[in-house]
Amino acid sequence: SYKLTQPLSVSVALGQTATITCGADNIGNEDVHWYQQKPGQAPVVVIYRNTNRPSGIPERFSGSISGNTATLTIGGAQGSDESVYFCQLWDRSSKHILFGGGTTLTVL
Amino acid sequence: QVTFKESGPALVKPTQTLTLTCTLSGLSVSTSGMRVTWIRQPPGKALEWLARIDWDDEEFYTTSLRTRLAISKDTSRNQVVLTMTNMDPMDTGTYYCARMNPQPGRLFDLDIWGQGTMVSVSS
Repeated sequence: SYKLTQPLSVSVALGQTATITCGADNIGNEDVHWYQQKPGQAPVVVIYRNTNRPSGIPERFSGSISGNTATLTIGGAQGSDESVYFCQLWDRSSKHILFGGGTTLTVL
Repeated sequence: QVTFKESGPALVKPTQTLTLTCTLSGLSVSTSGMRVTWIRQPPGKALEWLARIDWDDEEFYTTSLRTRLAISKDTSRNQVVLTMTNMDPMDTGTYYCARMNPQPGRLFDLDIWGQGTMVSVSS
């Protein structure tokens, strides 16, 4: 079973690029989804299947995956991007849904 | 409009059983490919997947809470019900229901969420 590890917090200057990682052994073999959660709200998917952006999500959100790390990148971070971000995958063998511990993004 | 809405008690006592209901609008729990999950989130902490039920009544549970959880669906009311026994203060948090995206190529991201319902466990 996977254990998804995220940094507790990431800070980025306004307009700069933020990267949030999600690590696990052999995560590169899976499909990782990323969610944005604002205070008091339900999570919203911002990247699905590692690299795909749902309609309505700004182009500054992108994803990648390689080896033991999935990465969410926010290019040109805005104040509205301040949120908690979670990675998630569906473990094919156990059929369980797994979440990372969440990363709080602060835009300075 | 497609919505999921959770309902249930805001406060339960330790050792009691919690029953939560997820009411679907605009979608049917019986539609082929429908997979509804329950997820919880303690205050300020991470999301934790709890259980899932599929359109064909197949059930899945997180291993750590398997003995305390039961998920079911009421087709006539278009609802998914989660019960959790022997509640403890550590179970305090917001409980969400969500849909696993059935679209080919999406591979089960959670695309529809309810607003969540906050449950506190205290005597």
